[in-house]
Amino acid sequence: QKEVEQNSGPLSVPEGAIASLNCTYSDRGSQSFFWYRQYSGKSPELIMSIYSNGDKEDGRFTAQLNKASQYVSLLIRDSQPSDSATYLCAVNPSGGYNKLIFGAGTRLAVHP
Amino acid sequence: DTGVSQDPRHKITKRGQNVTFRCDPISEHNRLYWYRQTLGQGPEFLTYFQNEAQLEKSRLLSDRFSAERPKGSFSTLEIQRTEQGDSAMYLCASSLTGVGLVGLYEQYFGPGTRLTVT
Repeated sequence: QKEVEQNSGPLSVPEGAIASLNCTYSDRGSQSFFWYRQYSGKSPELIMSIYSNGDKEDGRFTAQLNKASQYVSLLIRDSQPSDSATYLCAVNPSGGYNKLIFGAGTRLAVHP
Repeated sequence: DTGVSQDPRHKITKRGQNVTFRCDPISEHNRLYWYRQTLGQGPEFLTYFQNEAQLEKSRLLSDRFSAERPKGSFSTLEIQRTEQGDSAMYLCASSLTGVGLVGLYEQYFGPGTRLTVT
């Protein structure tokens, strides 16, 4: 079992729709969770961090965390073609707030 | 506020040669991380520093790889006797540690160095 799992996609949504990206993790002691956006050929860009169960909203983005289910998600409202990218879920494993363990990413395609 | 910078952005080398990459973190950040990313995968952790101390190294980091952060500022990653399997994007990230800080442990990535070993 991979430590951080994401559906590779592509997830295709029409412009203006809500895109829902999901991630599960295996380390029950994980404390910090992050979503990065990565455009093709570029480096990851941090878009959301979440540390507590529940929802965290920032503009069009909402991160949701459920530690009991070991599940974290990212919702993108009013999706735009410029949101088309790979979204990486990253987790700080238990034992220290050091390295990040990344999923392989979900490719999102927003079509006009 | 300048972000993380890396140099060079691209490197093409022949198998068996040594290469060195540089990373300059965000100026006030005390932690610096190196990751490697291959096509279709997420970044994989290699090593990290807190100030000048190298505190953790991944099993991925073979003895051909060495990293330094001599004065707690910039860092270098050297790969000796490169192999074709070393071809990847090498990413550097930095973060700020400290109790009670907002955005604790958030890591910010540089643009990466793309290495091609022929």
